[in-house]
Amino acid sequence: GAVVSQHPSRVICKSGTSVKIECRSLDFQATTMFWYRQFPKQSLMLMATSNEGSKATYEQGVEKDKFLINHASLTLSTLTVTSAHPEDSSFYICSATQQGRARAYEQYFGPGTRLTVT
Amino acid sequence: GNSVTQMEGPVTLSEEAFLTINCTYTATGYPSLFWYVQYPGEGLQLLLKATKADDKGSNKGFEATYRKETTSFHLEKGSVQVSDSAVYFCALSDSQAGTALIFGKGTTLSVSS
Repeated sequence: GAVVSQHPSRVICKSGTSVKIECRSLDFQATTMFWYRQFPKQSLMLMATSNEGSKATYEQGVEKDKFLINHASLTLSTLTVTSAHPEDSSFYICSATQQGRARAYEQYFGPGTRLTVT
Repeated sequence: GNSVTQMEGPVTLSEEAFLTINCTYTATGYPSLFWYVQYPGEGLQLLLKATKADDKGSNKGFEATYRKETTSFHLEKGSVQVSDSAVYFCALSDSQAGTALIFGKGTTLSVSS
């Protein structure tokens, strides 16, 4: 149980275009989803926290107009990288927590999406 | 601010060798500490955790002890298997930060038969 999927697993796009990444909880309802990014040989950095039906909370330094997060249902959150540039190339990972389970270790992670902007 | 430092990889071992992956942390207050593992093509999975000083987390033969005096949470396994090949992440959470996790950079372990 508690499986989280991401789609696509890899995407290559041209500079200036927008890319949407989906994060789905397959067998549970995710009231909270988290988006992380990881640069090569760097830590996973939390970008934002989203609760179903409300606006995402972004971490300091993350541009909310560039990284649009939508959590419209209890099983789906999307991250849209708008007007992508090469410096946005990274590994994006989502995680989700079940309703009533909000401890840090009760997050279930997706396999990640590798974004390359050319 | 809070941070996690773990040893650089990759770590390459032969089957049945002893494994240690070092992890130290900086935090205010009393964080909880975790080790996550990521197998190829899969999401991060919680491997073990410790929520207070001197706690020992263990799972699948892996162990780590929360050492407040040395601010460390080193991961150990007495005899690794090929199936342990993965990326290992040390992480902490600070109750003041809610459910956010702070990760180390990850250490790649490669075990050969």
